[in-house]
Amino acid sequence: SQQGEEDPQALSIQEGENATMNCSYKTSINNLQWYRQNSGRGLVHLILIRSNEREKHSGRLRVTLDTSKKSSSLLITASRAADTASYFCALYSGGGADGLTFGKGTHLIIQP
Amino acid sequence: DAGITQSPRYKITETGRQVTLMCHQTWSHSYMFWYRQDLGHGLRLIYYSAAADITDKGEVPDGYVVSRSKTENFPLTLESATRSQTSVYFCASTLASGYADTQYFGPGTRLTVL
Repeated sequence: SQQGEEDPQALSIQEGENATMNCSYKTSINNLQWYRQNSGRGLVHLILIRSNEREKHSGRLRVTLDTSKKSSSLLITASRAADTASYFCALYSGGGADGLTFGKGTHLIIQP
Repeated sequence: DAGITQSPRYKITETGRQVTLMCHQTWSHSYMFWYRQDLGHGLRLIYYSAAADITDKGEVPDGYVVSRSKTENFPLTLESATRSQTSVYFCASTLASGYADTQYFGPGTRLTVL
């Protein structure tokens, strides 16, 4: 099974700035999902983008998907201290036991 | 509140002991999953279940056993715990389409094997 690779591994920005993190993968996917994990907590689903979609929005979140480059980006606009968390991309390639596979995450720190 | 719960939240055990981690969801989701999260590895799938009495192996199943006699429960058993099984364990569920859908995660169980 393939695993997405998030970049950067860690990101520190000032409150109010935009945060961008990327996910790259190697083989075709059915959909790609982004999750957030606050310290010591379970993962929370943010956005699911299907392979035939190019962009999706949810509040201050914008996700893009470029299947030709096999990459996705998550943009958080006007960041807040509460956005401090780890962000994971998860890939669904379709069928079989491989299922949904998670990357290692980007750790985002929002400094006040 | 309805949702997905795990118990215990924290567990310390000794090498060789049997440990069972519980997972319970109130949504009647068909699919349930067990992951372990370790530094440097992200989340790795241990076992999953498509319905009651249907389970299958994930990426790292060795040393673990699961059962699903009821839709809402999906316990994970470490038959003889090893130090390498020290980890944070997450249970998740999804409605119907298997992996294609959003997964809802429990709060996790932090297991330490001494």
